[in-house]
Amino acid sequence: NAGVMQNPRHLVRRRGQEARLRCSPMKGHSHVYWYRQLPEEGLKFMVYLQKENIIDESGMPKERFSAEFPKEGPSILRIQQVVRGDSAAYFCASSPTDSPLHFGNGTRLTVT
Amino acid sequence: GQQLNQSPQSMFIQEGEDVSMNCTSSSIFNTWLWYKQDPGEGPVLLIALYKAGELTSNGRLTAQFGITRKDSFLNISASIPSDVGIYFCAGQGGSARQLTFGSGTQLTVLP
Repeated sequence: NAGVMQNPRHLVRRRGQEARLRCSPMKGHSHVYWYRQLPEEGLKFMVYLQKENIIDESGMPKERFSAEFPKEGPSILRIQQVVRGDSAAYFCASSPTDSPLHFGNGTRLTVT
Repeated sequence: GQQLNQSPQSMFIQEGEDVSMNCTSSSIFNTWLWYKQDPGEGPVLLIALYKAGELTSNGRLTAQFGITRKDSFLNISASIPSDVGIYFCAGQGGSARQLTFGSGTQLTVLP
């Protein structure tokens, strides 16, 4: 059973560009969570989604950030008009229930 | 929001020694989880605790869910070089489904 798959592993964007991060949950998992990690810090919750629904986006910045988990395909975290402060590791977690358990290896976003 | 205090921030120990780290919270959690993160990788779940007072082992690792539901500890016995990494506690509580993470304990095992 494949784990949580995230791609790309590394993403470099210039200021003002868009970043799209993808997450394919483990097979059979319909709950997806996105977290952000700055260097030498713990993970910070951003958003929780189930198929086609955003359940909790209380940790996501109100502007420029959006997330979706369509009926078919991976979950997408989208950051528009990236700024240097968006540079971080973004992790996705999935679970068969409403408690996140298993994390992917993350996407490391660098904004130049 | 919920906050977790994890200590120590870093530890240097000799191979073969036991090590202990803990997390405390200002609020009650219903679930405590312990993860290990290696450089460039995602957190890997080590132990999950679901009941106050619960003591659970996974090989050389033992973790407990505090009776007050506001703390948890992780013990690693007879440390080996591959134990090196960052250990995070995470808690889930109240109506929030997401996990709140501690700031991590960086473990270094000296030969």
